[in-house]
Amino acid sequence: GAVVSQHPSRVICKSGTSVKIECRSLDFQATTMFWYRQFPKQSLMLMATSNEGSKATYEQGVEKDKFLINHASLTLSTLTVTSAHPEDSSFYICSARDVLAESTETQYFGPGTRLLVL
Amino acid sequence: QKEVEQNSGPLSVPEGAIASLNCTYSDRGSQSFFWYRQYSGKSPELIMSIYSNGDKEDGRFTAQLNKASQYVSLLIRDSQPSDSATYLCAVIGTGFQKLVFGTGTRLLVSP
Repeated sequence: GAVVSQHPSRVICKSGTSVKIECRSLDFQATTMFWYRQFPKQSLMLMATSNEGSKATYEQGVEKDKFLINHASLTLSTLTVTSAHPEDSSFYICSARDVLAESTETQYFGPGTRLLVL
Repeated sequence: QKEVEQNSGPLSVPEGAIASLNCTYSDRGSQSFFWYRQYSGKSPELIMSIYSNGDKEDGRFTAQLNKASQYVSLLIRDSQPSDSATYLCAVIGTGFQKLVFGTGTRLLVSP
């Protein structure tokens, strides 16, 4: 149980284009999903908290107009990197909480999406 | 002071030994603590969660929590080369639902 998928796993795009990343909870419903970014040899940094049916909460320093988050259903959240630039190249990872699980605070992570902006 | 601190390592242990990974946190009101394992190029994988003072065992893994000292640790018994990875300590602080991660400790288990 508690499987989270992400698509695509890898993406290469040209500078200035937009990239959409999908995060799905496969066998549970997730009212809350989280988006993280991880640069090489660094830890995970939370970008935003995505709540189903409401606006995402962004961490300080994360541009909400650049990183658009949509959480339209209990099993799907999307992150769109708009007008991507080489400095946005990173490993983007989503996680989801299973509110019906014994431990409601446990986050299960997707496999990540590696973005390379040329 | 960082919210969650870990020694970056690498921590090198021989196969079969006990690996001890440590983590301290700054928010005294924190109630939820997690250990994740992350292989290179992969996303984190949950190993254990712990919420109460004391020890919690799951197979070869034992998590230890001491809230008075604001300290949480992970012991790996009978370490295997496949345990070589970065171990991330994560904490949910007071009043928040978000995980705060340490920078991770790299563990190397030599055959």
